Amino acid sequence: NAGVTQTPKFQVLKTGQSMTLQCAQDMNHNSMYWYRQDPGMGLRLIYYSASEGTTDKGEVPNGYNVSRLNKREFSLRLESAAPSQTSVYFCASSATRAQSLFGPGTRLLVL
Amino acid sequence: GENVEQHPSTLSVQEGDSAVIKCTYSDSASNYFPWYKQELGKRPQLIIDIRSNVGEKKDQRIAVTLNKTAKHFSLHITETQPEDSAVYFCAAASGGGADGLTFGKGTHLIIQP
Repeated sequence: NAGVTQTPKFQVLKTGQSMTLQCAQDMNHNSMYWYRQDPGMGLRLIYYSASEGTTDKGEVPNGYNVSRLNKREFSLRLESAAPSQTSVYFCASSATRAQSLFGPGTRLLVL
Repeated sequence: GENVEQHPSTLSVQEGDSAVIKCTYSDSASNYFPWYKQELGKRPQLIIDIRSNVGEKKDQRIAVTLNKTAKHFSLHITETQPEDSAVYFCAAASGGGADGLTFGKGTHLIIQP
């Protein structure tokens, strides 16, 4: 049981470049989430998927898109990266009305 | 939407003493309140959670209390140990958390030897 996995672990982008962050879980969880963590700001919800086939905006969705590819996988895409998107990105998953478990994170630096 | 305030931002206690971290929330519909511990460079890990149908929950040296009327909840750590040093985050959610969590900004707990 790998739990929640994320790739890549670390990425450097130039302003305007695009990339996709990948997340997968093997716990058969219905819900998946993307958060970003910035110093002194806690974690903020970007997008979530309460079940396969649905996605919804969180607190800070601007500049991002998501895809719930299947029950296991939930990807986050930056179409045109900006320095303000430099952050640590965490994916999480949960069974219905249960505890959220986090992945190891992706550190993104946008120059 | 929900807003979660967390205090203090930094807390330094002597090893063996107790530590208390407090959070307030704004949305009366919130009914799920987890606490996460995050060590430097690691992922947040759930340490305890409470739902709105109970006022207190305990797990060994850790306890959480909830006051729905006042919209605040607290984390209590007794007999602190060096390995308790970390950043602690409170969070709140409605619907049991299925639509995601709203986090406080974190408390850096330092255990002094």
